Amino acid sequence: SAVISQKPSRDICQRGTSLTIQCQVDSQVTMMFWYRQQPGQSLTLIATANQGSEATYESGFVIDKFPISRPNLTFSTLTVSNMSPEDSSIYLCSAGDGQGAYEQYFGPGTRLTVT
Amino acid sequence: AQKITQTQPGMFVQEKEAVTLDCTYDTSDQSYGLFWYKQPSSGEMIFLIYQGSYDEQNATEGRYSLNFQKARKSANLVISASQLGDSAMYFCAMREGLSGNKLVFGAGTILRVKS
Repeated sequence: SAVISQKPSRDICQRGTSLTIQCQVDSQVTMMFWYRQQPGQSLTLIATANQGSEATYESGFVIDKFPISRPNLTFSTLTVSNMSPEDSSIYLCSAGDGQGAYEQYFGPGTRLTVT
Repeated sequence: AQKITQTQPGMFVQEKEAVTLDCTYDTSDQSYGLFWYKQPSSGEMIFLIYQGSYDEQNATEGRYSLNFQKARKSANLVISASQLGDSAMYFCAMREGLSGNKLVFGAGTILRVKS
């Protein structure tokens, strides 16, 4: 199974600032995903991070607010821009291999509080 | 339309007894995968078990088994011999296609194991 790490594990940020979350996988993976989990809620996909091209965003999420990078097959970043208290959530990175393997594993998450 | 439905917001089970967590899904795809994850209070998403739509046998992983009833579009998780450490939030999720695609999550069921 892939081992996924995220940095930072948690942060408290001021309104109007930005935070970049890093996701590192211990093996090359085809697909990387970013999810948001608002307090007391389920997980919602923000975007699919595509290596070498722009991320694919889900309805309700835009690149200006959540820019994503995917420079190689083991690493991705998600930036939460111009933060407001409504952005307080757990942000989770997930990785899967699109070449027939079914596994999809998650990083430990980044717990973000915006004040 | 909601793709994954978990109708039990909360469940209690006595230690050492078995418990079933319900999950129904909706898809028109022939190829799909069903997942169960455990999320303790720490926030990490722990992969428990997977069932592919073409798998004829119900999936089992240790104390976890998935009761897959394709015609009824249900994928219930059975936890046998419950332990106090099983207390957590449990999410059912579906991937349309057998690999490489995003997961859609249900609302979750919080399980409390009583001693």
